[in-house]
Amino acid sequence: GAVVSQHPSRVICKSGTSVKIECRSLDFQATTMFWYRQFPKKSLMLMATSNEGSKATYEQGVEKDKFLINHASLTLSTLTVTSAHPEDSSFYICSATTGIETQYFGPGTRLLVL
Amino acid sequence: GQNIDQPTEMTATEGAIVQINCTYQTSGFNGLFWYQQHAGEAPTFLSYNVLDGLEEKGRFSSFLSRSKGYSYLLLKELQMKDSASYLCAVIGSGGYNKLIFGAGTRLAVHP
Repeated sequence: GAVVSQHPSRVICKSGTSVKIECRSLDFQATTMFWYRQFPKKSLMLMATSNEGSKATYEQGVEKDKFLINHASLTLSTLTVTSAHPEDSSFYICSATTGIETQYFGPGTRLLVL
Repeated sequence: GQNIDQPTEMTATEGAIVQINCTYQTSGFNGLFWYQQHAGEAPTFLSYNVLDGLEEKGRFSSFLSRSKGYSYLLLKELQMKDSASYLCAVIGSGGYNKLIFGAGTRLAVHP
């Protein structure tokens, strides 16, 4: 149980384009989903907290207009990186929780912006 | 501020025991997690402690002392596949069970 999927697993795009990453909880309903980014050999940095049907809560320093988050249902949240630039290249990971403490992580999406 | 400290790197020998320490200073405390992360993969859940004491789960055990702001992850009978990063994370008081992660400890297991 508690499986979280992400799609795509890997994406390469041109600078200036937008990229959408999907996060799905496959066998449970996620009241809250989280989006993280991770740089090589660094720990996870929380970007935003997403609750179904409400606006995401962004961490300080994260541009909400650049990283659009939509939590359309209890099993799906999407992160759209708008007008991507090379500095947005990173490993993006989502996690989901039922409201009980444990977060279950998706397999991650590796984004490379050329 | 909020701070979680763990050693950057550790090495150990196959079959041995290793203890990875984590100290934390956070505004509020609602539990501490240990996750394992292999390179290029997402973290996988190892343990959760909210009360003081030792939680044992197979080869892995986790200990918590809330008064000392201290936890450790104990790995026994080390295997080569245990080479990974181990992330200590705390749920503070920020709501939504947000996790605050330490920088992670990279463990290398040698034959």
